[in-house]
Amino acid sequence: NAGVTQTPKFQVLKTGQSMTLQCAQDMNHEYMSWYRQDPGMGLRLIHYSVGAGITDQGEVPNGYNVSRSTTEDFPLRLLSAAPSQTSVYFCASKKGAARTDTQYFGPGTRLTVL
Amino acid sequence: AQSVTQLGSHVSVSEGALVLLRCNYSSSVPPYLFWYVQYPNQGLQLLLKYTTGATLVKGINGFEAEFKKSETSFHLTKPSAHMSDAAEYFCAVSADTGRRALTFGSGTRLQVQP
Repeated sequence: NAGVTQTPKFQVLKTGQSMTLQCAQDMNHEYMSWYRQDPGMGLRLIHYSVGAGITDQGEVPNGYNVSRSTTEDFPLRLLSAAPSQTSVYFCASKKGAARTDTQYFGPGTRLTVL
Repeated sequence: AQSVTQLGSHVSVSEGALVLLRCNYSSSVPPYLFWYVQYPNQGLQLLLKYTTGATLVKGINGFEAEFKKSETSFHLTKPSAHMSDAAEYFCAVSADTGRRALTFGSGTRLQVQP
């Protein structure tokens, strides 16, 4: 199993550009989520999905869109990049929606917005 | 509502010394608690978790943590630090019965001196 994979690993954008961060998992997990990591702030939840076709907002959803057309994939779209979106982005998945389920994290995408 | 506080953004110990990383939580429902480790330029890896049952939880790489409800704490310990333990450590709580996601502390960077 590859686990949770993310592409690209690094990305530099100019203000106003759009892009999609890719996330895929091969563990047949129902629950997937996106976090951003900023220095001194831990990880904060952007969006999450409890299954194909179902998505919802997390703690910091503004400026981001998600969709979940398959169980495996959960892309994150930046609509119009802003410098405040410079961060490291992590995708995670877990078996189901149970609070006890372990979340597995991808290697992250380091995004810089100029 | 839920939150996690990690006391000490940086902790430095000598190789062979005791490691103690502090975590206190706030939760309006019975919490499930997690410790993750992040090595440089990598994703997060689960060290251990507390769900129910025994309050002393053993994890990977010789780490353990004790859930103390009366103190609302879940401190991480290791009897003898190794150079390879140098990393950032995150405490997280799963207490959001809606989103079923993790709320993270701000992280503690552990340095191990030779």
